[in-house]
Amino acid sequence: NAGVTQTPKFRVLKTGQSMTLLCAQDMNHEYMYWYRQDPGMGLRLIHYSVGEGTTAKGEVPDGYNVSRLKKQNFLLGLESAAPSQTSVYFCASSYGRRSYEQYFGPGTRLTVT
Amino acid sequence: AQRVTQPEKLLSVFKGAPVELKCNYSYSGSPELFWYVQYSRQRLQLLLRHISRESIKGFTADLNKGETSFHLKKPFAQEEDSAMYYCALSRNNAGNMLTFGGGTRLMVKP
Repeated sequence: NAGVTQTPKFRVLKTGQSMTLLCAQDMNHEYMYWYRQDPGMGLRLIHYSVGEGTTAKGEVPDGYNVSRLKKQNFLLGLESAAPSQTSVYFCASSYGRRSYEQYFGPGTRLTVT
Repeated sequence: AQRVTQPEKLLSVFKGAPVELKCNYSYSGSPELFWYVQYSRQRLQLLLRHISRESIKGFTADLNKGETSFHLKKPFAQEEDSAMYYCALSRNNAGNMLTFGGGTRLMVKP
């Protein structure tokens, strides 16, 4: 099993450009999450999904959109990138409501110039 | 709103010394608390959770509701314990959303 994978690993964008980060999991998990990690601030939840076709806002959703068309995939979109979105993005997944352990991907380092 | 605070950004100890990584939280409900760890070049992974009351790699953590703390302890640090440690809180409602602290980097010197 690959677990949770993220594509791409690194990306540099210019302000105003758009991009999509892909997260895939092969563990048949119901729940999926997108976090951003900034120095000294830990991980902050952007959006999450409790099942295929559902999404919900987390702590810092502004400037991001997500989609969960297939159970195994969770996409994070930036429509118009801003320098404040320079960060490391982590995707995670978990079995379901009573499963507290989240399994994390390797991260995507995004720089917006 | 819930909040998790890890007051130390960096904790440096010598091998064999005791280690305590501090975690304080604020939450009006009944929280679930966790410690996650990220070793160099590895993914973030669960270390332990308070409800299981287990010891993992020699680490233990006790939830103190009176002091709203969940400190991580190990009596004798090893060099392989060097890593980034995150305390996290779950609100135990829809989504199992985790709120993370800012993290503490533990460096164990030989």
